[in-house]
Amino acid sequence: EAGVTQFPSHSVIEKGQTVTLRCDPISGHDNLYWYRRVMGKEIKFLLHFVKESKQDESGMPNNRFLAERTGGTYSTLKVQPAELEDSGVYFCASSQAASSTQYFGPGTRLTVL
Amino acid sequence: AQSVAQPEDQVNVAEGNPLTVKCTYSVSGNPYLFWYVQYPNRGLQFLLKYITGDNLVKGSYGFEAEFNKSQTSFHLKKPSALVSDSALYFCAVRDEITGTASKLTFGTGTRLQVTL
Repeated sequence: EAGVTQFPSHSVIEKGQTVTLRCDPISGHDNLYWYRRVMGKEIKFLLHFVKESKQDESGMPNNRFLAERTGGTYSTLKVQPAELEDSGVYFCASSQAASSTQYFGPGTRLTVL
Repeated sequence: AQSVAQPEDQVNVAEGNPLTVKCTYSVSGNPYLFWYVQYPNRGLQFLLKYITGDNLVKGSYGFEAEFNKSQTSFHLKKPSALVSDSALYFCAVRDEITGTASKLTFGTGTRLQVTL
């Protein structure tokens, strides 16, 4: 069974540009989460989808971040326009139920210059 | 609000010696506790979890963790360290689910360095 996959693995963009990150959860997992780790600090929660619905988006830093999960399968996280402080590693995780173990993808390392 | 503390940025241990990576937590309800490991250039890998039951939880690669409610701790342990255990370890907590809130709160991570 394939694990959580994320694309791209690395992205380097300039301040003001737009970047879209993609996450494909484990097949059959209704719950999808986005987290990020900025500057070697703790990994912080961004938001949680149940199927295509946003269950909890309390961790989204501001309205420059837009997450979607159309059709309840893969998810995208768009940053527009990107700022320097958005640099970090963005992790996606999925779980079968909200109470189940979350399995993480390899992450996307975003560098904003 | 829930929080996790990993007091050590780095732990150094010689191969063959026992290792401990410390974690303390704070939640308002009953804790669900997790350890994840990140090997170089890899994603987060689930190691083990405590939900309820026996305070000593066994996980992957010979790791175990002990839940201590009175000390609000969930330290990760291994009786005999391997060089291949060198990685970044994250402790995480989730409050007993009420409604549908299921986000994890992570510590800052502890780098484990095992040397020959």
